[in-house]
Formats: sequence, C-alpha cells, structure tokens
Amino acid sequence: DADVTQTPRNRITKTGKRIMLECSQTKGHDRMYWYRQDPGLGLRLIYYSFDVKDINKGEISDGYSVSRQAQAKFSLSLESAIPNQTALYFCATSGGGMIQPQHFGDGTRLSIL
Amino acid sequence: AQSVTQPDIHITVSEGASLELRCNYSYGATPYLFWYVQSPGQGLQLLLKYFSGDTLVQGIKGFEAEFKRSQSSFNLRKPSVHWSDAAEYFCAVGTPGNKLVFGAGTILRVKS
Repeated sequence: DADVTQTPRNRITKTGKRIMLECSQTKGHDRMYWYRQDPGLGLRLIYYSFDVKDINKGEISDGYSVSRQAQAKFSLSLESAIPNQTALYFCATSGGGMIQPQHFGDGTRLSIL
Repeated sequence: AQSVTQPDIHITVSEGASLELRCNYSYGATPYLFWYVQSPGQGLQLLLKYFSGDTLVQGIKGFEAEFKRSQSSFNLRKPSVHWSDAAEYFCAVGTPGNKLVFGAGTILRVKS
C-alpha cells in the first residue's frame, strides 16, 4: 500500500460545486502539505500543517480551505469550484526537523467545467 | 524571495547519451536543494538532496547533481540515459518551515 494516499484520483465537476480532496498517510509524519501543479508553473503550495492544531496558508490559498482531522489525515476543500482551479493536486508529508524531504501521493486530477 | 529556475522546458536526448538538466536558485542562506522526478500518472519521487558537505551528491537511478555556490546552480546529470528516464524533473529549494519552492520543471524525452 502507498505511504501517502489521495482520493479520488480523478474528479470532474461543475462550477460552483463544493469539492473535497482527501489525503491519508501511514508514514507517521507530523507535517503535511497540499500543492497544485499547472503546466509550466511547477508545484505551488496551497496550505501546510505541522501538526493537528497547526494550519498555515501557502502561496496560493485563496479559494481553498483545509482540515487536519488527525495526524494521518489532511483534506483540501474547494468551497465553490471555478474553472481556473482545474489542475493536478498533490498531497505530501515530511518528518520534523529543519529541512526534510517531502513524500508525495500520486495526485488528484481535478477538472472543473 | 526564494526562487528556482529551470531554463529548459523540454529536452530530448538519445538513449545512451549523457544528460544534464539545469537548475538555478535564488536563496539568501545556505540552500537545501532537491531533485524530484515525476513519471506520468504518478507523484513526485525524490532523486537526491543536498544539505551540506560534499558538493557532488549521488542519488537513485544513477543520477548525480553538483552544487556550485558561485553559480547558484544545482545541475542534475546522468552519464547514460535509459528510455525509462523519460519523465518530468523538478528542482526545488527548501525554505524555513520545511516548505519547498519548485522550479517549473523540465520534460525529458528519450529517443531510441
């Protein structure tokens, strides 16, 4: 089983709908991250969390919200989806300490019509 | 602000040829640098990392990278490319709070 699992893997929805992307991990890491990937832009950080009670905005948090339900679970919500939120979304985890490599899930491909 | 530049959007090399992917970073302090690879339909896999010490670092799958502070570069190399190396490659710099800033990526195509 994958260490970082994202569900769903693919989602097509309509403008204005509420969407939740889920991420769970078995690595025992405290730190979790949500990124979006757009062609030619690389990955950009949406939100990150260092523990259950700690939530921080990233570079592009507008239009998104997150919930850290447990150490192992971190979900990303789009309250009212818009077409320019069509992208590939990645969840990642890392251990504590100064700088640690991040471990990524396989991504959720989200299309908003 | 921290930033990472990958000048080449696409690179095509012949199987068996050598490879070098360029990465330049902007960061005020000693950088923590990473290379990740993304195969189609998959997440990012860590190839190698530089934190300190020896400026030539070895990674998985036969890749290596050299940190050059004077050039603010961290280029990825492989002496002989295999068809399975076709993927997208991302360079990233670690920032305080263990956040990563990624480059735009380089798509590698391998021709037989």
